[in-house]
Amino acid sequence: KQEVTQIPAALSVPEGENLVLNCSFTDSAIYNLQWFRQDPGKGLTSLLLIQSSQREQTSGRLNASLDKSSGRSTLYIAASQPGDSATYLCAVNSNYQLIWGAGTKLIIKP
Amino acid sequence: DTGVSQDPRHKITKRGQNVTFRCDPISEHNRLYWYRQTLGQGPEFLTYFQNEAQLEKSRLLSDRFSAERPKGSFSTLEIQRTEQGDSAMYLCASTQDLYEQYFGPGTRLTVT
Repeated sequence: KQEVTQIPAALSVPEGENLVLNCSFTDSAIYNLQWFRQDPGKGLTSLLLIQSSQREQTSGRLNASLDKSSGRSTLYIAASQPGDSATYLCAVNSNYQLIWGAGTKLIIKP
Repeated sequence: DTGVSQDPRHKITKRGQNVTFRCDPISEHNRLYWYRQTLGQGPEFLTYFQNEAQLEKSRLLSDRFSAERPKGSFSTLEIQRTEQGDSAMYLCASTQDLYEQYFGPGTRLTVT
């Protein structure tokens, strides 16, 4: 059974810092991995999708990597801004359904 | 492309009542998913459709839950005899095959 873990559960950093969010999964047989952002009380915004054959994807200040063999993905956020404050969730596409971590709540202090 | 829409956005109902939610996916997407999310947790998979066929249902989905996607377009999720434990955000997503899943704004259900 696929399980997804995100560490840390919460993170608070000063504005301008670079930071890394971690996601680990137990079964390497995945189709893809997706990172999402969720603002309080809101729906989910897709940030990046990495197919199982890819190693990384970049969008603006965001870079996501995937190491299937070790069951790990990281989301790197460069030059953090207060507007980046949100909960970040990773989801693994396993057997055509997304299996989710519980998220990392990120606070960027001005 | 107007994105995924869900209706209603909020629903308050009394225990024992039936409720129905609607999801309109992105028009060219063949797959439609339903998830449920409770406070502080990641979403949980409920069920998904490929076109009009319901291909998988989670064991979380009791017999009180039913979903349809007539003609492979919009989908409805019905909960019969609601219980307080059904209170959650119900999320719908659509995708084309194994590409990115796009989510709607969700329907927040409160059972009193």
